[in-house]
Amino acid sequence: DGGITQSPKYLFRKEGQNVTLSCEQNLNHDAMYWYRQDPGQGLRLIYYSQIVNDFQKGDIAEGYSVSREKKESFPLTVTSAQKNPTAFYLCASSTPSWDRVGNEQFFGPGTRLTVL
Amino acid sequence: GQNIDQPTEMTATEGAIVQINCTYQTSGFNGLFWYQQHAGEAPTFLSYNVLDGLEEKGRFSSFLSRSKGYSYLLLKELQMKDSASYLCAVRLPDSSYKLIFGSGTRLLVRP
Repeated sequence: DGGITQSPKYLFRKEGQNVTLSCEQNLNHDAMYWYRQDPGQGLRLIYYSQIVNDFQKGDIAEGYSVSREKKESFPLTVTSAQKNPTAFYLCASSTPSWDRVGNEQFFGPGTRLTVL
Repeated sequence: GQNIDQPTEMTATEGAIVQINCTYQTSGFNGLFWYQQHAGEAPTFLSYNVLDGLEEKGRFSSFLSRSKGYSYLLLKELQMKDSASYLCAVRLPDSSYKLIFGSGTRLLVRP
């Protein structure tokens, strides 16, 4: 079955520690995205990547870093510079617009990060 | 800036019809998406509108008026499992195909 996996589902870290969230997709999608969701709020874009070895900052990139060494993988590192890292993190992927009308984003199950 | 507004919460009765509105003011427009999100889960795609008018998909329909910056999601024959948050998102017309999300509308369906 094709899809997006994120691991782990729940993650606890001490303040000041860096932590890396995994995102893998086998949908053969070129574009991948990382969002953050806080209680009662919509999704805010952290980083996105349209192609391997290239990525762009989203609206709230400060304190985060990403890499895109493989098409299937787009890990997100939450660094100690992120002032309020406790949130629900969602990874998504999509096809190029010329492949599919609509080009909707498909989401992974999410990782809930709690910093103690 | 980019702004997408939705009501925070709505309540409806099982079997009824509910309309969730979304208004947007963005720097450009290249389509509007509706997603459903159950608590603690990932959003799932419901509908997409890029031209004015109504798109129907089973119990769910979505309407778009680009001139008014307005969309709505219509849910018919409500079921208890429809209790969820409904997210409206606008795609920008640049090459990134980024989505700008509203804060979501939490729908509670009562028996």
